[in-house]
Amino acid sequence: AQSVTQLDSHVSVSEGTPVLLRCNYSSSYSPSLFWYVQHPNKGLQLLLKYTSAATLVKGINGFEAEFKKSETSFHLTKPSAHMSDAAEYFCVAYNTDKLIFGTGTRLQVFP
Amino acid sequence: DAGVTQSPTHLIKTRGQQVTLRCSPKSGHDTVSWYQQALGQGPQFIFQYYEEEERQRGNFPDRFSGHQFPNYSSELNVNALLLGDSALYLCASRTGWTLNTEAFFGQGTRLTVV
Repeated sequence: AQSVTQLDSHVSVSEGTPVLLRCNYSSSYSPSLFWYVQHPNKGLQLLLKYTSAATLVKGINGFEAEFKKSETSFHLTKPSAHMSDAAEYFCVAYNTDKLIFGTGTRLQVFP
Repeated sequence: DAGVTQSPTHLIKTRGQQVTLRCSPKSGHDTVSWYQQALGQGPQFIFQYYEEEERQRGNFPDRFSGHQFPNYSSELNVNALLLGDSALYLCASRTGWTLNTEAFFGQGTRLTVV
């Protein structure tokens, strides 16, 4: 069965500095992986998805993620953080028609 | 397009009571899934409905049941509420079975059991 592990429960960055949110996956076959963002009092929003077409996936709001099979990782990055990026981020795997969520990483952005 | 709408937004119930949560999927979507998100945790899959039938179920007891109507809207019912059922309940909708279609989430119903 697929699972995902988010390595950091909290990440703090200054506005304008790079963002790195780490995710490792566990799967016996090539997975479908996603990153979702959850802003307070708002629904979950899909940032990007990997479905084996390309290892570097570009998403919305300047985020991107790279699938590395050798490291079983799918880390989320952004070159320059913005205050509006402060939110909870979830790494998600697809498993037999349902989504398996990681425990989440809370991103804080300081001015 | 209103997207996925859930009602109510907040609910307080007493242990042992029963609760019904409602979800209207995004226009054009026929598949509805429910997730439970406990405080500080990621959402956990409860079940999924397609063509008015439960198609997939997560590791939740039979106290959790659901229904999908011909207009694709859905209800989540929880009987004999426990304090541990306090959580944010999320509804997600998409088209068909394939995950090539994006799942859209509602804002959730915050259930508090006292």
